[in-house]
This record gives sequence, C-alpha cells and structure tokens, in this order.
Amino acid sequence: AQSVTQLGSHVSVSEGALVLLRCNYSSSVPPYLFWYVQYPNQGLQLLLKYTSAATLVKGINGFEAEFKKSETSFHLTKPSAHMSDAAEYFCAVSEQTNAGKSTFGDGTTLTVKP
Amino acid sequence: DSGVTQTPKHLITATGQRVTLRCSPRSGDLSVYWYQQSLDQGLQFLIQYYNGEERAKGNILERFSAQQFPDLHSELNLSSLELGDSALYFCASSVQGGYGYTFGSGTRLTVV
Repeated sequence: AQSVTQLGSHVSVSEGALVLLRCNYSSSVPPYLFWYVQYPNQGLQLLLKYTSAATLVKGINGFEAEFKKSETSFHLTKPSAHMSDAAEYFCAVSEQTNAGKSTFGDGTTLTVKP
Repeated sequence: DSGVTQTPKHLITATGQRVTLRCSPRSGDLSVYWYQQSLDQGLQFLIQYYNGEERAKGNILERFSAQQFPDLHSELNLSSLELGDSALYFCASSVQGGYGYTFGSGTRLTVV
C-alpha cells in the first residue's frame, strides 16, 4: 500500500519569497514520486518526477524537489515565487511497476501575495 | 492542449439517470486512468485500463463501470446517479507508470 501526506493545505508566501511545499510518502516498495500543479478549472499538469535516478529533480517553471529516502520526503521548492505560481499543488506516489497507478495527496493551495 | 481529450466538459443530469463520459488518450499512450475529484474526498482513483484490459481498480462504485476500446479511447459509465456523485471526473493517460500522467481538462458532473 502507498500513501502521501501533504503538510499544510494552504501555504501563503510573498512574491519573491521561497516556496516550500511539503510531501511525505509511504510505500512498501521503491516509489516513483511526482508533483502536479492544478490551475482553476483545469486538469493537473506534471511539474516534475522522481524515478530513482538523481535525487534532486528539476521541473518546469523553476520548481525542484529532492527525494530523501531516510525522511520519506519529496518536498517541492522554488527560490522565488511569482504571482503566476498561485495554484493547487499535488504530490503523488506510484509503485515502480507498469501498472503505474498513482495515489495523490490532498493538495496544497499556494497563495502568492504581491 | 494536453493531448488528452475529455467530453463533455460539463454535464447536468437528474438523480437516477445514467451518463457516459468519454476520454481519448494522448497519442501513443496505452494506459488510461479515471479519477474523481471532489472537495471532501480529494482525488480518488477509480480504475485503470492498459491496452484494452482492466489493470487496476480503486474506489469505484458498483454503479460505475468503464471500458477501453480497441482504438484506446475509454468511456466511464455512471448509472443510478446520486447527488453525491457530483464531482469533477478526470481522465489521464501515460505510456507507463513511471512517466507520470497527462491529464485531460475533466468533465464536471452536476447531479440535481
């Protein structure tokens, strides 16, 4: 079984400040990990993914995440927030099988203040 | 345009009715996944098909069924609809699990 916990359903930062969205996972086998972003009235878009290569993963729009096995974490960061980053962010975990079913966290809504 | 097409975008129907949601995956993707998104339940996995065969099943009600056709498009059938079935239904596709999903823009179902 696998699960994801996103700490903080709402995060608010000022424009230009560091963005840190937290994700902890549970998986009985080596996981694949993903971050997705959802803008209002749209589907989810893949930001980045960890698939057991480099532990520091760079994604689109300046986001990156670091896989820490010892902490079972996959936190998402961005050095400087833009107004356009305001959205809901989802962390997801899947097993390293061809089935690839992903389990999603409850999401974190990011607000960026001017 | 993500490459995953879902129709219709909006659907309003009465309790007890049956509806069909359609999904065309991104070109080259063999896997199709259906998720339900609601405010109180978040994103819930319903079912996965891979190249026409059911691969994994999640929290899908017996009133719901799905299939994937030879051209790889998929349909999600919801019957005996209840008010609580009102939600966003997303289809996603992938080449295989480790590559992540490409999501469609969803079908917003409102049951009145």
